[in-house]
Amino acid sequence: SQKIEQNSEALNIQEGKTATLTCNYTNYSPAYLQWYRQDPGRGPVFLLLIRENEKEKRKERLKVTFDTTLKQSLFHITASQPADSATYLCALAAGGTSYGKLTFGQGTILTVHP
Amino acid sequence: GAVVSQHPSWVICKSGTSVKIECRSLDFQATTMFWYRQFPKQSLMLMATSNEGSKATYEQGVEKDKFLINHASLTLSTLTVTSAHPEDSSFYICSAREGRNEQFFGPGTRLTVL
Repeated sequence: SQKIEQNSEALNIQEGKTATLTCNYTNYSPAYLQWYRQDPGRGPVFLLLIRENEKEKRKERLKVTFDTTLKQSLFHITASQPADSATYLCALAAGGTSYGKLTFGQGTILTVHP
Repeated sequence: GAVVSQHPSWVICKSGTSVKIECRSLDFQATTMFWYRQFPKQSLMLMATSNEGSKATYEQGVEKDKFLINHASLTLSTLTVTSAHPEDSSFYICSAREGRNEQFFGPGTRLTVL
């Protein structure tokens, strides 16, 4: 069965450091992969999308990589700030007739300490 | 751009009553809308996918007669929880997509059934 795993339930880092979050998947061939940020009691906020034929995407302090051979995506936040503290979700999008249907990982709670 | 709203943001109802939740895309035409449910400390689980003007497609295990979805226009979808029970208490989140673009999520609706 399809499985999506985000490497850790919680990640604590010091302000200014780079946070690296991992998303691994099995039995899945996604058309694309997305990363979202979710704050408590709020809906997910879209951050980055990377397609199956792309290796890396950047947006300001954010970077995502996508390795379809390893079936893994890495999400980096450079120069992290306490305001970056939130739950980060990876989501894989199906292709074919179910194009765009998302399956979410369980999320990683990031805490950036001042 | 790409703003999705939900109403109400929270609702408390008695067991056995029905509750309607609205999802609107404010600045784009949502050809597809999705409804998710999220229990505490868990990730988002897709309930159903709806395309404007056609019947919703429900995920396995989701009762279509209990969770009525209507997507009557390109900017509005509604989810009605019929004969709600305490186990239906959850955080309901909608998302919307224009064409094959990424999904944007609403802020969520907290449903509490007494």
